[in-house]
Amino acid sequence: DTAVSQTPKYLVTQMGNDKSIKCEQNLGHDTMYWYKQDSKKFLKIMFSYNNKELIINETVPNRFSPKSPDKAHLNLHINSLELGDSAVYFCASSQWDRFNEQYFGPGTRLTVT
Amino acid sequence: DAKTTQPTSMDCAEGRAANLPCNHSTISGNEYVYWYRQIHSQGPQYIIHGLKNNETNEMASLIITEDRKSSTLILPHATLRDTAVYYCIVSPGTASKLTFGTGTRLQVTL
Repeated sequence: DTAVSQTPKYLVTQMGNDKSIKCEQNLGHDTMYWYKQDSKKFLKIMFSYNNKELIINETVPNRFSPKSPDKAHLNLHINSLELGDSAVYFCASSQWDRFNEQYFGPGTRLTVT
Repeated sequence: DAKTTQPTSMDCAEGRAANLPCNHSTISGNEYVYWYRQIHSQGPQYIIHGLKNNETNEMASLIITEDRKSSTLILPHATLRDTAVYYCIVSPGTASKLTFGTGTRLQVTL
């Protein structure tokens, strides 16, 4: 009965590759997010989607392309991976009217070599 | 968003109350105080939030000063599983974004 799930949990890849991270929530929420937590543990929002529409894009390089096929899924595709993309990526979800009560997934640790 | 100031780290004995302070002296009238925590190798977890009044739920209590310039998160009986980084965030209740700071690292010890 996992609320917010992400796959894969770990992802090791080489520079220049393209990779995707998947996120699914079974909470019935209408808003989903992607966050990045770097090596210094700073957690920053990247994107948010409400009802499959992009709401927030925090000056993330266009190599990062979120895709929301439906309200329960928000996937993150990354092109031409760089060393600086190494981080833990968290997906989260909430109801739009309870925006700041977010439920986070377990994270995906991406390592670019 | 209003900035918050939290101690870098705190210790608490298991079974005792953990009181985590947060200063938010520039908070606006429409901004709520939210608390999250992040246990090692897990995603952040929502704990509680409040506007003016003190709040309590099954996880914690939130005490907000009358002038709203500071607040305290109280874990009434801390356990080892409460060891985590605790984030105090101020944000409008309307659609916005959560901005996480550096938080307080709470270490609960035997």
